[in-house]
Amino acid sequence: EVQLVESGGGLVQPGGSLRLSCAASGFSFSKNWMSWVRQAPGKGPEWVANIKEDGRTKNYVDSVKGRFTIFRDNAKNSVYLQMNSLRAEDTAVYYCARDVGHGHDYWGQGTLVTVSS
Amino acid sequence: EVVLTQSPGTLSLSPGERATLSCRASQSVSNYLAWYQQRPGQAPRLLIYDASSRATGSPDRFSGSGSGTDFALTISRLEPEDFAVYYCQQYGNSKTFGQGTTVEIK
Repeated sequence: EVQLVESGGGLVQPGGSLRLSCAASGFSFSKNWMSWVRQAPGKGPEWVANIKEDGRTKNYVDSVKGRFTIFRDNAKNSVYLQMNSLRAEDTAVYYCARDVGHGHDYWGQGTLVTVSS
Repeated sequence: EVVLTQSPGTLSLSPGERATLSCRASQSVSNYLAWYQQRPGQAPRLLIYDASSRATGSPDRFSGSGSGTDFALTISRLEPEDFAVYYCQQYGNSKTFGQGTTVEIK
């Protein structure tokens, strides 16, 4: 059974940092692209970033470029999102998802990030 | 950025009825379009990819059509579990989602 379990969310002040983690199991993690997708309260999802199988290619939505970094550890079957210079508009539930090119076929349960003073 | 506009915002229907949801792209995305279902408190679930291919486990009452800028998701006969929010996503030019269509019980 495929499982994606996110952790690391919480309350952080504007300008602060947070690192999200996603532990994967039930599939060949090292052979799959992975994505982070976020969803602000009452809004549609927003794709944030993805990373290639070997970690060498990364893509980001414009609004997080220079602030967020996606990386992975295939030995630990995990993908991470380092978030710096956080803003109120980054408040959302953050999901990790398997990225199969034509969509995201498996998702975690999400972790809530709240940016507020 | 490719903007996806979904219509209507809300669709009020009864179980057994047919639902047709629309997604329009601000520029052509070829057939690089997916549809997701999201129930309250859950993550989105992939239903359709490449505009018209059903994802694994997606019931055959769900079908997708369209190409270029105009797409549709059709639910042939609504089951109680189909009342949810539906999102389209394009992956032809980066990745963006629409704002969603809520299918509610009339």
